[in-house]
Amino acid sequence: GQQVMQIPQYQHVQEGEDFTTYCNSSTTLSNIQWYKQRPGGHPVFLIQLVKSGEVKKQKRLTFQFGEAKKNSSLHITATQTTDVGTYFCAGPNTNAGKSTFGDGTTLTVKP
Amino acid sequence: GAVVSQHPSWVICKSGTSVKIECRSLDFQATTMFWYRQFPKQSLMLMATSNEGSKATYEQGVEKDKFLINHASLTLSTLTVTSAHPEDSSFYICSAREGTGSPDTQYFGPGTRLTVL
Repeated sequence: GQQVMQIPQYQHVQEGEDFTTYCNSSTTLSNIQWYKQRPGGHPVFLIQLVKSGEVKKQKRLTFQFGEAKKNSSLHITATQTTDVGTYFCAGPNTNAGKSTFGDGTTLTVKP
Repeated sequence: GAVVSQHPSWVICKSGTSVKIECRSLDFQATTMFWYRQFPKQSLMLMATSNEGSKATYEQGVEKDKFLINHASLTLSTLTVTSAHPEDSSFYICSAREGTGSPDTQYFGPGTRLTVL
């Protein structure tokens, strides 16, 4: 079945350093979503990418969707302590009417 | 917009009792709702997909008789953990899909932390 893999599983950075998480799907995706889950919280929708090669920015966050629509990345410039949490990507499993989530990348930031 | 509520936010119960968790979409109609389970520091584990007015579709390995799901309206889905045991203790999160605009985007409730003694 469809698999969505994320790397790295954990990333620890010094405040001010950049951070990137990568998401790879075993199948071509019609779109991809990114979510953030703060410690003790619930996943919150960040963004959806639809077009091949699409790049979207939200302040210090840059999201990319690969040309083949099988991979995506989230890059955070100059991390802050407020960026801590687990970042999940998810792609639709259209045949099943659900989404497949990656295992997430947990970011910790040392002030 | 796109707010999902979940109730209760936490519950402690005795082994053998049943617990009902409600998930509501507050400002949109949810064509589909999902129920997840999450263990500490682990990813989201999909338990079932729930469409309004029809039976839920359970993931492999999830006991449908133990985790009863009802999606009676476009704004409400419930998960009942029947005869709960300590191994059912977990963080249960629902999500709702609006079905328009970004049809695959899910909006998550705040979660319910269940502790079975």
